[in-house]
Amino acid sequence: QVQLQQWGAGLLKPSETLSLTCAVHGGSFSGSYWSWIRQPPGKGLEWIGEINHSGSTNYNPSLKSRVTISVDTSKNQVSLNLYSVTAADTAVYFCAREQKIVGTTSWYFQHWGQGTLVTVSS
Amino acid sequence: DIQMTQSPSSLSASVGDRVTITCRASQSISNYLNWYQQTPGKAPKLLIYVASSLQSGVPSRFSGSGSGTDFTLTISSLQPEDFATYYCQQSYSTPRTFGQGTKVEIK
Repeated sequence: QVQLQQWGAGLLKPSETLSLTCAVHGGSFSGSYWSWIRQPPGKGLEWIGEINHSGSTNYNPSLKSRVTISVDTSKNQVSLNLYSVTAADTAVYFCAREQKIVGTTSWYFQHWGQGTLVTVSS
Repeated sequence: DIQMTQSPSSLSASVGDRVTITCRASQSISNYLNWYQQTPGKAPKLLIYVASSLQSGVPSRFSGSGSGTDFTLTISSLQPEDFATYYCQQSYSTPRTFGQGTKVEIK
């Protein structure tokens, strides 16, 4: 049974760096992509980006200039850094495992972390 | 980016009702469409993948259909635990994008 446990600072000031980590327990760490997704209070879901076990990344162009996603395969952990945050970055941040359907190029988010509320306020 | 548009944004229904939610993509995405259910304070839960495949453990009253640009999620007989917000998501290309959500409320 795959479980994703995430943690990080919940209160930031404008211009600071958001840092979150997601630990993967159970299942195979390789063969999947690991995504970060955020949800502003009362709003919908926004995909931030993804990484696989070898460090290959894809980012949302809307955030690409401020985001770094990294992986530590020795610890089965994935990390998110979002730089120069503003109040618009206030959201619940989720890590998620993106599973590929064998024999296709189709993916889906099968497992999710519990979510971390990050508030940006002066 | 592929834009995903859901309708309606919200609906009111009673237990036992048949509910249909639609999702339209801004370009053809074949069947690379997933549906999720989210309840307040929780992470989204996968219901349907590749447009019509039911995720293991999801009740059979949930079904999905469609291909190309137009998709539907149907709940055949709404149950109390189904009152939630539903999101579609395309996996045809990056950036992955979600619909804005459909909130299903109790009438």
